[in-house]
Formats: sequence, structure tokens, C-alpha cells
Amino acid sequence: NAGVTQTPKFQVLKTGQSMTLQCAQDMNHEYMSWYRQDPGMGLRLIHYSVGAGITDQGEVPNGYNVSRSTTEDFPLRLLSAAPSQTSVYFCASKRNPGANVLTFGAGSRLTVL
Amino acid sequence: EDQVTQSPEALRLQEGESSSLNCSYTVSGLRGLFWYRQDPGKGPEFLFTLYSAGEEKEKERLKATLTKKESFLHITAPKPEDSATYLCAVQASSGGSNYKLTFGKGTLLTVNP
Repeated sequence: NAGVTQTPKFQVLKTGQSMTLQCAQDMNHEYMSWYRQDPGMGLRLIHYSVGAGITDQGEVPNGYNVSRSTTEDFPLRLLSAAPSQTSVYFCASKRNPGANVLTFGAGSRLTVL
Repeated sequence: EDQVTQSPEALRLQEGESSSLNCSYTVSGLRGLFWYRQDPGKGPEFLFTLYSAGEEKEKERLKATLTKKESFLHITAPKPEDSATYLCAVQASSGGSNYKLTFGKGTLLTVNP
């Protein structure tokens, strides 16, 4: 049981490049989400999904796209990377939207030059 | 707007020196208050959920308490392995909260041997 798996762990991009951060969970969780963590700030919600085919915006969605074609996967796409998107990104899931315990992945550190 | 303020930002303790971390919050109806532990380079790990004032939860050397305005994480006789960043988060019970957690910036705890 791997939990929440994120890839890649580290990535360096140039401004304007696009990329996808991958997130997969093997716990059959309905709810999945993406957060970013920046120095001096709390974790902030980017996008979330309450089930396959259903996604919605969080607190800081601009510049990011998501899709949820399967229960297991929830990729985060950066269409045109900007230096302001330099951050550590965490994928997190829970059994259902009303559940209490969020299980986090190990994080993906992204640097945009 | 939901807000979470954690203090102190950083705390250094000697092994065995008990202390408390504070989490002050404002939320439009509290559904739950959560404590997470985050080790360097890793994702947050769930510790406790508290639902109502007066509630307490314990796990090994950690004890979390809740009032109507704040929560405390008491650390009794800490060990070096307790060194980590401790995150507090709240979830509102009001509709339209999109299930999001509002996180504080965290308290970096260092326990010296």
C-alpha cells in the first residue's frame, strides 16, 4: 500500500514551459487535492476533486489545470510556468469529502527560472 | 475569511523540557481543527482532529486541547525525534467551504539532546 505517490520529486523549468505533476493514490479515495507550500505561508489549496470527472477550484487556481479521469490519478498541469509558481507542491487525498484525515504525498519541488 | 495563527514561529527545547504550541483561529463555524506534523522534505502527517471546545486528544508525548478560540499542542518530556514543523488547520462547517482546510504557517520545533 503506497499511499499517495507524487512524481517528479524535483523539477526545474524555464519561464513559459509547461509540465505536469503526477499524483496517484492506491487507497480508493474519492477526494484528491493539490496544495502549494511557500516559505512564510501556510499550505494553500490549488484545486480539488470529489470524484472521477469532478474538479473544482481552490484558493489559488490561476495558472494551473487539473483533470480526474480515474479515481487513482489527479495530475496538475502548469500551462505556461512563471517564477511565481516556484514552490513545493503537495497532493493529498482522503476517503471522501467529509472525512477528516488527509493523506499527503512526499511533495514535488518546482523551480521556475 | 477563516484565519489560523500559530505561535511561536520557532521553538527550541532541551530534551525533557515540556512546552506548548499555540494555534489561534477564527472560522465561521468550526467543523474540525487538525494538527499535522511535517518532517523536512516530507508531506504533512496527520496527528489529531478536535471538534468541540473542551475536547482533548493524546498520542505518546503529545496532547492537543481545544477552546472556542485556540488550540494547544502540549509536548511532555520531548525527545529529539519530536523535532519537526507542527501545522494547525481548521475546516469550516459553513456551506460553500469547498472542504478546504485553512492552514497556519506552522511552528518549527527543535529538541536538543
